[in-house]
Amino acid sequence: GQSLEQPSEVTAVEGAIVQINCTYQTSGFYGLSWYQQHDGGAPTFLSYNALDGLEETGRFSSFLSRSDSYGYLLLQELQMKDSASYFCAVSDTGRRALTFGSGTRLQVQP
Amino acid sequence: EPEVTQTPSHQVTQMGQEVILRCVPISNHLYFYWYRQILGQKVEFLVSFYNNEISEKSEIFDDQFSVERPDGSNFTLKIRSTKLEDSAMYFCASSEAGPNQPQHFGDGTRLSIL
Repeated sequence: GQSLEQPSEVTAVEGAIVQINCTYQTSGFYGLSWYQQHDGGAPTFLSYNALDGLEETGRFSSFLSRSDSYGYLLLQELQMKDSASYFCAVSDTGRRALTFGSGTRLQVQP
Repeated sequence: EPEVTQTPSHQVTQMGQEVILRCVPISNHLYFYWYRQILGQKVEFLVSFYNNEISEKSEIFDDQFSVERPDGSNFTLKIRSTKLEDSAMYFCASSEAGPNQPQHFGDGTRLSIL
């Protein structure tokens, strides 16, 4: 089966940098995705890593280490609107189904 | 920007009744998905659909569930005989056909079973 672990909650202040970690276990790993979800809203795609290294998209970056079964999402210059839940999700080779982690609730404080 | 649209936004149904949740995926997308999220929990995969047939399904997607693409734009999830534990937010998603394509989610239908 598949399992993902990420912290349940993270708090940071406006303008700061925060890192949300994700470790995973799966038999046929293909890629790691990150989604943002505001309360009552839809998951919104942020980033995807299939290869080791860092992917940067504006204020958000995502990192993957396949050998360590580990990835993280880095949010820079935090804004109040970044307060949301962040989910890592894995996809396996040959499959498109996403298996989501339990989510990390980020609270940005002034 | 094109988006996935879902109707209704909220559906209240008596236990044992049938419900149909509707989705209009993004027009050039070829893969369609249903996920559900029980309140306060993680998003769970139900089923994916490609080329007019189910390509993958999870253990959750048992005989009470079915999906259909009745025309060129709609994608539906039918729950035949609803149970209390079917109460959840149901999200439709779609993606392009190539590898590594992100899945774009609709705003969801909140299903409440009484």
